[in-house]
Amino acid sequence: DAGVIQSPRHEVTEMGQEVTLRCKPISGHNSLFWYRQTMMRGLELLIYFNNNVPIDDSGMPEDRFSAKMPNASFSTLKIQPSEPRDSAVYFCASRSRGVTDTQYFGPGTRLTVL
Amino acid sequence: KNEVEQSPQNLTAQEGEFITINCSYSVGISALHWLQQHPGGGIVSLFMLSSGKKKHGRLIATINIQEKHSSLHITASHPRDSAVYICAVGHMRFGAGTRLTVKP
Repeated sequence: DAGVIQSPRHEVTEMGQEVTLRCKPISGHNSLFWYRQTMMRGLELLIYFNNNVPIDDSGMPEDRFSAKMPNASFSTLKIQPSEPRDSAVYFCASRSRGVTDTQYFGPGTRLTVL
Repeated sequence: KNEVEQSPQNLTAQEGEFITINCSYSVGISALHWLQQHPGGGIVSLFMLSSGKKKHGRLIATINIQEKHSSLHITASHPRDSAVYICAVGHMRFGAGTRLTVKP
């Protein structure tokens, strides 16, 4: 298996632009997570899906952030409009079953908003 | 107070030393995870614990549910163990991480 796939790996954009990050989870995994990592705040959970349904989006910072999972093999995290404080590494992870199972992380997308 | 506290924040060791990283948490959990983040940024899940102890190669992880405490031990440390080790609980609350540097 190719593991969790994220694209793009690096994104540089200007403030105010829309940014879309993409994730393909491991086939057969039914939970998907979006995380953000910054120097100041470390790793934070943004949102997670179970069977394509958003379960907990309490970590989504504000209305500028939205996430979708239209099917079991694809998810997007969108920021519109982007701001410099959104600069971070965004990780996607997937898990096969319950909370006691291992999460597999993607390589991350490094976002820089100028 | 953070829900997940790790100590130490930074740790430097000589190759071959025994390493211990600690994690204390304040929330009820069903599982605790230890993650390793390589210098290149990739994150790997090392252990998932709900009770007792697990061992994988030179790595050992223990958890005491009553004390709300977990430890990650590395025996015979090696420079390739240099990484940030992160404790996470539940869905997923993270510690700030412990930066380990093992010198040859």
